[in-house]
Amino acid sequence: TQLLEQSPQFLSIQEGENLTVYCNSSSVFSSLQWYRQEPGEGPVLLVTVVTGGEVKKLKRLTFQFGDARKDSSLHITAAQPGDTGLYLCAGLPQDYKLSFGAGTTVTVRA
Amino acid sequence: DVKVTQSSRYLVKRTGEKVFLECVQDMDHENMFWYRQDPGLGLRLIYFSYDVKMKEKGDIPEGYSVSREKKERFSLILESASTNQTSMYLCASSSAPNTEAFFGQGTRLTVV
Repeated sequence: TQLLEQSPQFLSIQEGENLTVYCNSSSVFSSLQWYRQEPGEGPVLLVTVVTGGEVKKLKRLTFQFGDARKDSSLHITAAQPGDTGLYLCAGLPQDYKLSFGAGTTVTVRA
Repeated sequence: DVKVTQSSRYLVKRTGEKVFLECVQDMDHENMFWYRQDPGLGLRLIYFSYDVKMKEKGDIPEGYSVSREKKERFSLILESASTNQTSMYLCASSSAPNTEAFFGQGTRLTVV
């Protein structure tokens, strides 16, 4: 059983559309991280959220950490083909074992 | 530029062989991790180490062991490789629990 549940598993959209990826858990996390992984490469960190209710923006990407620090979302505005990749959320629970969700594969069609 | 280097990108081994996957980081990080990545399952933690000669089991340690004799090097050992260990293996390191994990490019292991 995954500690972190990501949805949807796959997302295919047209360039210019918006999308949201969700990361949920029944556990409380001291922080949540979002990574993007491209084929043949290791994941690369996009952002870390630490405070409940926190919102962080990275250009067209908006990350939100839930008030109870159990969930997070990633919203991409006006998606571009360069946003294509596997998006992974990762949480740091009390035992400090960095745990990952199963990932959301995002495909942005030109 | 920070770097985590895994010794092989692709590896093919026979069932029953002892397999060593090596990982080296040049960032003087305390923490190092081994994950395996399978489609639909994401990254699952096998083992991690928070100091030299220290190790902790992750979520799926069965069939694996690790060694950390030096701070920069973390080795994953498959004692007797089996076909269900065919997977992508990713090594990562971080300076502290709450900080960014830097990943290697992965080793795609096939056990035949």
